[in-house]
Amino acid sequence: DAKTTQPPSMDCAEGRAANLPCNHSTISGNEYVYWYRQIHSQGPQYIIHGLKNNETNEMASLIITEDRKSSTLILPHATLRDTAVYYCIVRPGTSGTYKYIFGTGTRLKVLA
Amino acid sequence: NAGVMQNPRHLVRRRGQEARLRCSPMKGHSHVYWYRQLPEEGLKFMVYLQKENIIDESGMPKERFSAEFPKEGPSILRIQQVVRGDSAAYFCASSLDRGDSGNTIYFGEGSWLTVV
Repeated sequence: DAKTTQPPSMDCAEGRAANLPCNHSTISGNEYVYWYRQIHSQGPQYIIHGLKNNETNEMASLIITEDRKSSTLILPHATLRDTAVYYCIVRPGTSGTYKYIFGTGTRLKVLA
Repeated sequence: NAGVMQNPRHLVRRRGQEARLRCSPMKGHSHVYWYRQLPEEGLKFMVYLQKENIIDESGMPKERFSAEFPKEGPSILRIQQVVRGDSAAYFCASSLDRGDSGNTIYFGEGSWLTVV
């Protein structure tokens, strides 16, 4: 399974963009990059995912480097409610490898 | 998290009792996953089930834990003879298919088990 590396914590000022990096240097060609977040005492919440191209939805943008060895999740205008642990997951490919392996994530604190 | 329903949300059991946690997947989803999160730790995969089949239980403790996903009704995670170390949040997730094509799994809000 490809492993991911994320900084343990980050701070971001409210209203500014939060850029959360993730390294996944051993990613395989058929593996997707997924981002989830977990607000305290809640279940993980899906944010966004991608394979090769950059992706954007109503919550965030996902920028994947051309070599796919790293990615960045961008929250364009962080609010206090975005304070959470953010998990970058490289979901294993085919042949029954469907498990999401969660690392320790990045604890994002949005400051007023 | 909308759609994956877990109950009870909070459960207190004495040592030696049984705990049953239920999970109803999102509508149309036939794949269910259970994860456990110990206090101040990350999420750990436990088991993956389809209707009436256990596909992968590699993350399940060898004893006292079992899971099922019957043809009708919710998925059940059963913990027999609970011990204090079982105190944790148990999260259920579901997906539309096995997910190889990139389909997403969605999590419920969790069931918080406290063993006293």
